[in-house]
Amino acid sequence: GQQLNQSPQSMFIQEGEDVSMNCTSSSIFNTWLWYKQDPGEGPVLLIALYKAGELTSNGRLTAQFGITRKDSFLNISASIPSDVGIYFCAGQMMGDTGTASKLTFGTGTRLQVTL
Amino acid sequence: DAGVIQSPRHEVTEMGQEVTLRCKPISGHNSLFWYRQTMMRGLELLIYFNNNVPIDDSGMPEDRFSAKMPNASFSTLKIQPSEPRDSAVYFCASSFSGGAVQFFGPGTRLTVL
Repeated sequence: GQQLNQSPQSMFIQEGEDVSMNCTSSSIFNTWLWYKQDPGEGPVLLIALYKAGELTSNGRLTAQFGITRKDSFLNISASIPSDVGIYFCAGQMMGDTGTASKLTFGTGTRLQVTL
Repeated sequence: DAGVIQSPRHEVTEMGQEVTLRCKPISGHNSLFWYRQTMMRGLELLIYFNNNVPIDDSGMPEDRFSAKMPNASFSTLKIQPSEPRDSAVYFCASSFSGGAVQFFGPGTRLTVL
């Protein structure tokens, strides 16, 4: 199935550094979501974006819905060890709204934080 | 509040055996999704239901896979017969109908020897 292009694939950063990752698609999306997955667990929702240009924060996390509707960005400020995990973007395409909401997932960004 | 519940958390079986994975969605959610996650293919949507009715099963890999949702609070994903290449983590997720946000269960790690 279709997947979103997510980059970078992995990152090694030091505690306290800021982190940026992004997701791009050739298709237009009407909703963007960012999830985090810890080892042995299911993805957990971090931020949901519903409008082009929208900028939303959740603590040290900030995400933006791209103006073109084809991309989204997630920033983590002042990273801490518990930020380690895999971050996934997910989008709901135009035309997928209705009775059920199928999502398209990115390939994931694996984040590792060193002390 | 209880989230999505999946059982078992881990399953180890031998090739050829039948495997049944179970899911209880969040109460009040009427859309349910089954995903498979592997290193090679990432998160793949297998099938999803709305109001207990299968909407799209195009992601089901082959006839060995089947899914049912007999009522609003229970769904099963069955693999019969299982093969080693079915080894993966299987997630169930649920959402309100029409809503984009899906809530995931903890997953079932399946190993087929």
